[in-house]
Amino acid sequence: DVKVTQSSRYLVKRTGEKVFLECVQDMDHENMFWYRQDPGLGLRLIYFSYDVKMKEKGDIPEGYSVSREKKERFSLILESASTNQTSMYLCASSPWTSGSAETQYFGPGTRLLVL
Amino acid sequence: DAKTTQPTSMDCAEGRAANLPCNHSTISGNEYVYWYRQIHSQGPQYIIHGLKNNETNEMASLIITEDRKSSTLILPHATLRDTAVYYCIVRVRTGANNLFFGTGTRLTVIP
Repeated sequence: DVKVTQSSRYLVKRTGEKVFLECVQDMDHENMFWYRQDPGLGLRLIYFSYDVKMKEKGDIPEGYSVSREKKERFSLILESASTNQTSMYLCASSPWTSGSAETQYFGPGTRLLVL
Repeated sequence: DAKTTQPTSMDCAEGRAANLPCNHSTISGNEYVYWYRQIHSQGPQYIIHGLKNNETNEMASLIITEDRKSSTLILPHATLRDTAVYYCIVRVRTGANNLFFGTGTRLTVIP
């Protein structure tokens, strides 16, 4: 079974802190993603990566950065956390495919509270 | 980008089939229909996907109309553990690998 793990299930940080959210997948997937989920807004894509050291902005990249130094690991960084970044953060991975069909596998999520 | 429309919520009796509808009238020819679900406080879980033909796996069946403008996810024998939010998704962009999650259908399985 594909396994996507996230470093923390719950995290409490203060405004202005630098926050690292880590994601690891064990299926040698090329693609990895970071989403945030907020009530009434569904999932929104922050960043994704299709290869080591490669990254692409999603729909809401402002206030975030990412790092992918190894294929299995994709980190989301909040340079200076703000209260509006309080959210559920979800990491996902998927294998590369040449066609349109694709399945993303999600981690359990990290619920971040910024005070 | 193709959008999907789903009912906000549905109830289903335990042991009965749950039929979850989805409209995607603007779907284009090379877009797939995906279904995911999210149980409370967990990450989304892939269920099934299809292009034109009906599909079945160990979790569910997917029925896609001939014109592909709508589909139905069927859970043949719903259990309490199937209580979740179910998302119908149409693949948005080729190559960018983005999945657009809407607000989904909240399915409640009743004992």
